[in-house]
Amino acid sequence: IAGITQAPTSQILAAGRRMTLRCTQDMRHNAMYWYRQDLGLGLRLIHYSNTAGTTGKGEVPDGYSVSRANTDDFPLTLASAVPSQTSVYFCASSPKSLNTGELFFGEGSRLTVL
Amino acid sequence: GQNIDQPTEMTATEGAIVQINCTYQTSGFNGLFWYQQHAGEAPTFLSYNVLDGLEEKGRFSSFLSRSKGYSYLLLKELQMKDSASYLCAVMDSNYQLIWGAGTKLIIKP
Repeated sequence: IAGITQAPTSQILAAGRRMTLRCTQDMRHNAMYWYRQDLGLGLRLIHYSNTAGTTGKGEVPDGYSVSRANTDDFPLTLASAVPSQTSVYFCASSPKSLNTGELFFGEGSRLTVL
Repeated sequence: GQNIDQPTEMTATEGAIVQINCTYQTSGFNGLFWYQQHAGEAPTFLSYNVLDGLEEKGRFSSFLSRSKGYSYLLLKELQMKDSASYLCAVMDSNYQLIWGAGTKLIIKP
């Protein structure tokens, strides 16, 4: 089934630990995004990639890093997790490099940092 | 700053009509989007408006007034499965999406 796969779906993590959230898409979409969703707030963009080999910072990039070695994979790494990074993380993709606004989302990764 | 406002929660009755409003103040405008998000699931695309007026898609319609910085999503013939959060998002002049916090819609029988 075509789409976006995120892993893990849920994780509890001790503060200070390193964590990588995985995201893989099989739709051959050019652009990919990482968002965090917190109660009472809109989705906030962490990092994005318009095409393989390029990445950019979003609204809340601090404490996070990404890479885009190929079209399909866009992992998000928390180098040293802090409790404020407790959130639901969504990976998304869109067919074109220029953001058309129609995004396809993964099912989310719920991360709790203690 | 950039801002998207929508009501936090609304309640409606099965079979009825509900209108969810969204007002925005952004740096430029390149379109307004509505997404549906069921609890614990991913957001899914519903509609896109870039010109003033009404866009109809089945039971769902979306309206835009750029001069007023205003949009609404109209849901007709409500069904229990329409219970979800509805997210309004605006694409600014840098082609970045600015998201509202979402409106939780509760449908009662």
